[in-house]
Amino acid sequence: SYELTQPLSVSVALGQTARITCGGNNIGSKNVHWYQQKPGQAPVLVIYRDSNRPSGIPERFSGSNSGNTATLTISRAQAGDEADYYCQVWDSSTKVVFGGGTKLTVL
Amino acid sequence: QVQLQESGPGLVKPSQTLSLTCTVSGGSISSGGYYWSWIRQHPGKGLEWIGYIYYSGSTYYNPSLKSRVTISVDTSKNQFSLKLSSVTAADTAVYYCARQNRLQPNPYFDYWGQGTLVTVSS
Repeated sequence: SYELTQPLSVSVALGQTARITCGGNNIGSKNVHWYQQKPGQAPVLVIYRDSNRPSGIPERFSGSNSGNTATLTISRAQAGDEADYYCQVWDSSTKVVFGGGTKLTVL
Repeated sequence: QVQLQESGPGLVKPSQTLSLTCTVSGGSISSGGYYWSWIRQHPGKGLEWIGYIYYSGSTYYNPSLKSRVTISVDTSKNQFSLKLSSVTAADTAVYYCARQNRLQPNPYFDYWGQGTLVTVSS
C-alpha cells in the first residue's frame, strides 16, 4: 500500500516562511492535497492538486510537488496558522491515503 | 452551500455495532459525481479513511477495516450511513463524513461534517 511520510512537527517564527513536507514514492506523479485542522475542528482544504488554492484560502499558502516530496509552504506565518496539516493523495489501489500529519507551531 | 452533519450514539459498548448517519443538505447525493466518505481520527492522532459510497450504492473500504465496515446510502433521505461491527476501545475516535468530487482525476475532500466523538466503553 502507498504511504505518505510527514514530519511530526515544524516550528516557524512569526512572519517567516514555514515548509511542511510530505514524502512518498514518486509522489511527484500524483496529485497532492493539503488540509489544515485546528483543535476541535474538522479539516479544511487549503491546497488541492499540488498547488491550487480553494477560494477563501490566503495567497500565503502555496504548494509544490516533485520527485519523492511534496511541500506545503506558508509565507508570512501568522499565529492563526498554528494547526495540524495533513497531506492526502488518491492511489489507484488504496484509494484515499493520508499522511500522518504535522503540527505547525508559530513562535 | 453543501453541509454534512453526523449523528448517532456517542457511546457504544464493546463488541456491539457502531452506527452513524451523515445527513447532506444543500445538494443531492443522487446528483452523482461525488464519493461520500467516512473518516475517523483517534484522540490526538491522524486521519484514517474508512471508506466511501457512491449514490448507486457501490462502495470501497479501507482494507484494514473492510471485514467490519458497511457503508450504505439512502437517497430518499439524502443520507449515508456507517456501521462498524465488533467494536473495541480502539475504535474510540471522532468520526467525520466528507465529500469528494469523483469527476476529478485525483479527488480531494471539499466538504466535511463537524465530526462526532464515539466512545467505546462498557
